[in-house]
Amino acid sequence: DVKVTQSSRYLVKRTGEKVFLECVQDMDHENMFWYRQDPGLGLRLIYFSYDVKMKEKGDIPEGYSVSREKKERFSLILESASTNQTSMYLCAHSSRQKTGQFFGPGTRLTVL
Amino acid sequence: AQKVTQAQTEISVVEKEDVTLDCVYETRDTTYYLFWYKQPPSGELVFLIRRNSFDEQNEISGRYSWNFQKSTSSFNFTITASQVVDSAVYFCALSDLEVSSSNTGKLIFGQGTTLQVKP
Repeated sequence: DVKVTQSSRYLVKRTGEKVFLECVQDMDHENMFWYRQDPGLGLRLIYFSYDVKMKEKGDIPEGYSVSREKKERFSLILESASTNQTSMYLCAHSSRQKTGQFFGPGTRLTVL
Repeated sequence: AQKVTQAQTEISVVEKEDVTLDCVYETRDTTYYLFWYKQPPSGELVFLIRRNSFDEQNEISGRYSWNFQKSTSSFNFTITASQVVDSAVYFCALSDLEVSSSNTGKLIFGQGTTLQVKP
C-alpha cells in the first residue's frame, strides 16, 4: 500500500513560533507537494519539489519555506506562525512517469 | 491560466437518490489530465479517477460514472443510488500531461463540493 505520513494530525502553536510540518513517503517518488486547504478555496499549492534539494514556489508561498534533504522527506516550515496560517495542510507526492498524486492524512494547524 | 470551477458548494440528497457533481475547467493546453478525489471526514484525499484529454469515453465504476465533454470543458461525476458512506467533499482537479523530465504533475483543484447523503 502507498503510505504517506505526516508528522502530526493536529497541532496548536502560538503566534511567532517556528513550526515544522514533515511529510514522508515510501514510494520513491520524485515529486512532492505541500497544499493548504481552506473552506471555499479548495486546495492551494504552497511549494513543491521535483528532486532532492530542489524546490519551486506554488501559488501561495508567502510566509512559508521548505526543505528537501532526502528524497522521501519534504518539510514545510513556518518561520513565524501567524493566525492566518491556521489551516489544514496536506502533503502529496507523485512520480514523473505517471500523473496523479497521493495524499497524506493532513495536519490541522491552529495558530493562536 | 488553468482553472477548475465546481459551482456547487454543497449538495444534500436522501439515500438512494442519484446525484451529479459538476466540474468545469479552463486550460490552454491541448493535452491534459482531469481527476476526481474524495475527501471523507477523516481528511485524507482518496483518488477516484484520472482521465486523459484524448479519451472522451464515459467511464463507469460501480455506482460511479464520469461524463467527460471536451466541447464544453466539463468533467461531471455522477453517483447512482447514493449511500450515506458517499458523504464527503469531492474535488475535481486538472494537470498538464505527464512524462517529461521537467513535468512535476502539478494539480489545479476546484473549490470542492460537499455532498451530504441523508439516511
